[in-house]
Amino acid sequence: SQKIEQNSEALNIQEGKTATLTCNYTNYSPAYLQWYRQDPGRGPVFLLLIRENEKEKRKERLKVTFDTTLKQSLFHITASQPADSATYLCALPWGGATNKLIFGTGTLLAVQP
Amino acid sequence: GAGVSQSPSNKVTEKGKDVELRCDPISGHTALYWYRQSLGQGLEFLIYFQGNSAPDKSGLPSDRFSAERTGGSVSTLTIQRTQQEDSAVYLCASSLSGGRTGELFFGEGSRLTVL
Repeated sequence: SQKIEQNSEALNIQEGKTATLTCNYTNYSPAYLQWYRQDPGRGPVFLLLIRENEKEKRKERLKVTFDTTLKQSLFHITASQPADSATYLCALPWGGATNKLIFGTGTLLAVQP
Repeated sequence: GAGVSQSPSNKVTEKGKDVELRCDPISGHTALYWYRQSLGQGLEFLIYFQGNSAPDKSGLPSDRFSAERTGGSVSTLTIQRTQQEDSAVYLCASSLSGGRTGELFFGEGSRLTVL
């Protein structure tokens, strides 16, 4: 079955630094991958989608890479701010061409001022 | 409304009671998802509706859980004979046509507490 791994430990960084979060997956080659942000007590909010034929995608201070050989996606936030503190989740389609998404457990990012 | 609406936002019930959770997706979205999130955990997939196709129920944890989507719009998740381990936040999401082409829009969730 599909398995998604994200760093379970919180990531603490200093304001202005680049945060890098990791999403690893096994047993499958997804056609795309998504990243979401979740604040406490709120539903997740979509950030970026990257397809298997895209190596990298950017949106403002966010950058996502997708290495289908390593079965890994990296999520970068440059010039991080305390407002970036949240849990970040990656999501993959579950098997074949389905649109059903499964989520990783998320990584809590804390940006210290 | 402009977003996904879920009700109730909070529900406290006694063990053994049935509960119904409602989700009103964004108008025009054909895909609807239910997930469960226990405290400090990730999102656990429960069920997925896509248009008029038969729903994918593969994530429902037991036969006490069921969901329906009427008229391709509003969805209700029903939990019968609730157990304490059912306590969690139940999140609903909708999408224009599924995750492949874009994002899932989530509601704020229904927090269920089973005493």
